[in-house]
Amino acid sequence: GQQVMQIPQYQHVQEGEDFTTYCNSSTTLSNIQWYKQRPGGHPVFLIQLVKSGEVKKQKRLTFQFGEAKKNSSLHITATQTTDVGTYFCAGQGAGGTSYGKLTFGQGTILTVHP
Amino acid sequence: ETGVTQSPTHLIKTRGQQVTLRCSSQSGHNTVSWYQQALGQGPQFIFQYYREEENGRGNFPPRFSGLQFPNYSSELNVNALELDDSALYLCASSLGQVGTEAFFGQGTRLTVV
Repeated sequence: GQQVMQIPQYQHVQEGEDFTTYCNSSTTLSNIQWYKQRPGGHPVFLIQLVKSGEVKKQKRLTFQFGEAKKNSSLHITATQTTDVGTYFCAGQGAGGTSYGKLTFGQGTILTVHP
Repeated sequence: ETGVTQSPTHLIKTRGQQVTLRCSSQSGHNTVSWYQQALGQGPQFIFQYYREEENGRGNFPPRFSGLQFPNYSSELNVNALELDDSALYLCASSLGQVGTEAFFGQGTRLTVV
């Protein structure tokens, strides 16, 4: 079945440093979504990427979708303490038994030291 | 706030018992998905309901079942609870099955003892 791997598992940075998390799917995706979950909270949607090679920016966050639609990355420039949380990628399959199913990566836990 | 509400927020059950978790989806959303999130892990897809029909299921045994009602609210039922069922159960509603943002509820923390 479809699997989504995400690295690194943990990332500790000093405030102001950059942060990147990577996501790789075992199968071609219809789309990939990114979520942020604060400690004790629930996943909150950040963005969706649909097109091959797509790049989207949200202020200090840059999201990329690979040409083969199997990998993605999230890059945060100049981290702030408010960026703390777990970042998940979640891929949706292109069809068959994966249709409609969001497969989440294991997440990257980001801690930011002031 | 997402407009997706789940009840109860916390629950303690004994192994072998049955549990029903409830989810009220965001207004206008016709699709509800359920996820199990163990501590330190990503959410695992249980199943999805679209217009009252089950549409897609993850690797969960048949003792995990669900319903979606005409108002698109949903229930997750788990029979014969096992200790490993202890987790955060998340409900997510969306407008459509694919390619749309999922709005998560705050979850139900289930502890099986």
